[in-house]
Amino acid sequence: GAVVSQHPSWVICKSGTSVKIECRSLDFQATTMFWYRQFPKQSLMLMATSNEGSKATYEQGVEKDKFLINHASLTLSTLTVTSAHPEDSSFYICSARSAGGGAGSSYNEQFFGPGTRLTVL
Amino acid sequence: GIQVEQSPPDLILQEGANSTLRCNFSDSVNNLQWFHQNPWGQLINLFYIPSGTKQNGRLSATTVATERYSLLYISSSQTTDSGVYFCAVSRNQFYFGTGTSLTVIP
Repeated sequence: GAVVSQHPSWVICKSGTSVKIECRSLDFQATTMFWYRQFPKQSLMLMATSNEGSKATYEQGVEKDKFLINHASLTLSTLTVTSAHPEDSSFYICSARSAGGGAGSSYNEQFFGPGTRLTVL
Repeated sequence: GIQVEQSPPDLILQEGANSTLRCNFSDSVNNLQWFHQNPWGQLINLFYIPSGTKQNGRLSATTVATERYSLLYISSSQTTDSGVYFCAVSRNQFYFGTGTSLTVIP
């Protein structure tokens, strides 16, 4: 149990276009989802926290108009990189926290998606 | 935020050797998890261990919450253990450590 999927797993786009990344919790309900980015050989940096039915909370330095987050249901959150530029190229990873410790998890335990590698040309 | 330091940053082991990875954190937390990031970037949950000791096969972990550290033990290492190991702690949000890059050579 406690599986999180991401789609797409990789994407290449032209500068100026927008890219949407989906994060789904497959076998549990996630009231909270998190979005991270990871540069090569670095750790994960939290970008934003997404709560179902409410606006996302962005970390300092993350442009909310550039990285649009929608958490429309208990199993789906999306991250849209708008007007992407080469410096947005990165590995984006989502995670989900179980609403009530279901699917064999403990409350507060986070489960991570496989990541999306974005390359902007 | 909470500072999370991992040591060593890099580790090279001969296959079959044992190792200990350490995670120090700067404040009290209600969650601590260890992950293995494979070469494709996937984060694999190893342990959810805010306190106490757990074992899973060749891996075990101990967290001493009062002293703000956690240890991950890898015994009889295999080449498939190679990758980056992260610990992450949280109260309301996750703070990731800098990682330990492990290379196991045959």
